[in-house]
Amino acid sequence: SYVLTQPPSVSVAPGQTARLTCGGDKIGLTSVHWYQQKAGQAPVLVVFDGGDRPSGIPERVSGSNSGNTATLTITRVEAGDEADYYCQVWDTATDHWVFGGGTRLTVL
Amino acid sequence: QVQLVQSGSELKKPGASVKIACKASGYSFTKYLINWVRQAPGQGLEWMGWINTNTEDPTYALGFTGRFVLSLDTSVSTAYLQISGLKADDTAVYYCARERPVGRTNQFDLWGQGTLVTVSS
Repeated sequence: SYVLTQPPSVSVAPGQTARLTCGGDKIGLTSVHWYQQKAGQAPVLVVFDGGDRPSGIPERVSGSNSGNTATLTITRVEAGDEADYYCQVWDTATDHWVFGGGTRLTVL
Repeated sequence: QVQLVQSGSELKKPGASVKIACKASGYSFTKYLINWVRQAPGQGLEWMGWINTNTEDPTYALGFTGRFVLSLDTSVSTAYLQISGLKADDTAVYYCARERPVGRTNQFDLWGQGTLVTVSS
């Protein structure tokens, strides 16, 4: 089955840029979705189809996808961005959803 | 208000069964799939499967066949996850999530608040 690989943790100072990666075989050829999960809360969709944002998600949050890596970029990081972030794709080989293992973003 | 509201926390003994409810409101329930996602303590999200709210047809992920049953009661816009033969490692938060095409493809655009199931003797 399809495997998505995310680094367990990323740390960034307030005001800086956080780049969270999601690796997968030829992931650039598929749609990648990103979810933010704050402590004790349900996940929230923050980026879909690689780079689009649902309404209410700030422009500071963006996504890109190419080759074997998808990236969620958060500029001007704030304390409120501290959360776990998960990437997700649809595996066409199995017709199943797949989540990455998640990255914990820590704001220093 | 568009929302999914799940039933409350459960404490069960090993071998018992549990049935978690996920009630939809604010939208046409039979228009979108309902997915279920498990999150063990301190772990990531794990997709369990989905149920077609139109046909009531379930699909299960590998590892979630046999003891796991997805069902619906469309008369009350509610999806259910039943787990039988509970084991300690079924201890987790279980989420329901609506799958809807927000853009070119489908995503989980609406989530329930989660239901904690604790399995302990």
